[in-house]
Amino acid sequence: DSGVTQTPKHLITATGQRVTLRCSPRSGDLSVYWYQQSLDQGLQFLIQYYNGEERAKGNILERFSAQQFPDLHSELNLSSLELGDSALYFCASSLRGLGGELFFGEGSRLTVL
Amino acid sequence: TQLLEQSPQFLSIQEGENLTVYCNSSSVFSSLQWYRQEPGEGPVLLVTVVTGGEVKKLKRLTFQFGDARKDSSLHITAAQPGDTGLYLCAGAETGNQFYFGTGTSLTVIP
Repeated sequence: DSGVTQTPKHLITATGQRVTLRCSPRSGDLSVYWYQQSLDQGLQFLIQYYNGEERAKGNILERFSAQQFPDLHSELNLSSLELGDSALYFCASSLRGLGGELFFGEGSRLTVL
Repeated sequence: TQLLEQSPQFLSIQEGENLTVYCNSSSVFSSLQWYRQEPGEGPVLLVTVVTGGEVKKLKRLTFQFGDARKDSSLHITAAQPGDTGLYLCAGAETGNQFYFGTGTSLTVIP
């Protein structure tokens, strides 16, 4: 158990819809990262928050947004969903803002039909 | 975005065999990590290397960071079924986030 909690574990929705994925980091970790994992793209870095503020942006689409709340949990919002958005979405946390070990949750599997 | 290429992409071997997985990039990394991911779970850190030429051993696993800090290898001796999983390298340029490689899916057949 990594200590990182993600909900929901599975989500099935239709194209055009909007979903929210939730992540609770390990106790004491200030950084939260979001990654997308698909068969053809591997593990893609989307965005990072550190202590409530956006720290780094990767390959995140404009239809996607995220935030980190004062209690350090984070949410990833995916809107106007397309079939290609079907993937595993992982949240990871770390103590520091740069480098260090990433602790991953079990992921949220999104299926867009 | 850094591009880290791993080879081979898929590897299926018999229990007891040795294997090497490679991670290559044109970028110079301040540090490089190796993770293993099992089905239904998130990646778990195996090792972090930070010095060019560094070699780290973790039981039957040997990790090497290239002298120029652009590449790395993972060698497994006498592979066991429990080694089955997706092996991911992740590199970070100075001050940047870790970007993950394309992954090597290893299957060890009993």
